[in-house]
Amino acid sequence: EAQLEESGGTLVEPGGSLRLSCAGSGFNFYGFGMYWVRQAPGTGLEWVSFISSGDSSTEYSDSVKGRFSISRHNDKKSLFLQMNSLRPEDTAVYYCAREGVALAGVNSYYYYMDVWGKGTMVTVSS
Amino acid sequence: DIQMTQSPSSLSASLGARVTITCRASQNIDSHLNWFQQKPGKAPKLLIYGASHLQSGVPSRFSGGGSGTDFILTITNLQPEDFAIYYCQENYSPPGITFGPGTKVDFK
Repeated sequence: EAQLEESGGTLVEPGGSLRLSCAGSGFNFYGFGMYWVRQAPGTGLEWVSFISSGDSSTEYSDSVKGRFSISRHNDKKSLFLQMNSLRPEDTAVYYCAREGVALAGVNSYYYYMDVWGKGTMVTVSS
Repeated sequence: DIQMTQSPSSLSASLGARVTITCRASQNIDSHLNWFQQKPGKAPKLLIYGASHLQSGVPSRFSGGGSGTDFILTITNLQPEDFAIYYCQENYSPPGITFGPGTKVDFK
């Protein structure tokens, strides 16, 4: 069974840094793109970042671009999110999720988040 | 950027009821629309991908439809475990992704 487990969330002061980790198991980690998604208290879901499986290309939401950095270590089946210049509005539960892919048609695919971790809480406050 | 809206924002329903949730995209996204269920304190769970494809292991009382800008999630014969928040998510131009604001389904 494919599983993901996040760690590293804690209380940090504004302007501080934090590194989140996500450990994968039960699947070929190197073959899947991976996401970070967050959820501020009492609010909805927000996509944060993505890293591809092949060339490890990365993408970021506008809200974290230039402050957060996503990376992966395939041999250790691990995903990371380095968060710098943290702001109170970054306070949230951070989830890692696996990218699922299904054929939609000729040269067309559906992409979705099919496996999620339980999340790790990041609180940015003085 | 693609914007996603959902209606209603909340609804109350009885056990055994048929529930319909609507999701609308601000531009055409073909069928690149996913649905998730989230229960309090838990991670989201994928229900439907590609607008109408049931994820493995999800009960058949869940179904999805639509394409272009308008989509629907239907739950037939509502069960106690179905009371949750439901989110739609567009994945038209990955990896940039937008979630809808959510629809809370609670017990009437």
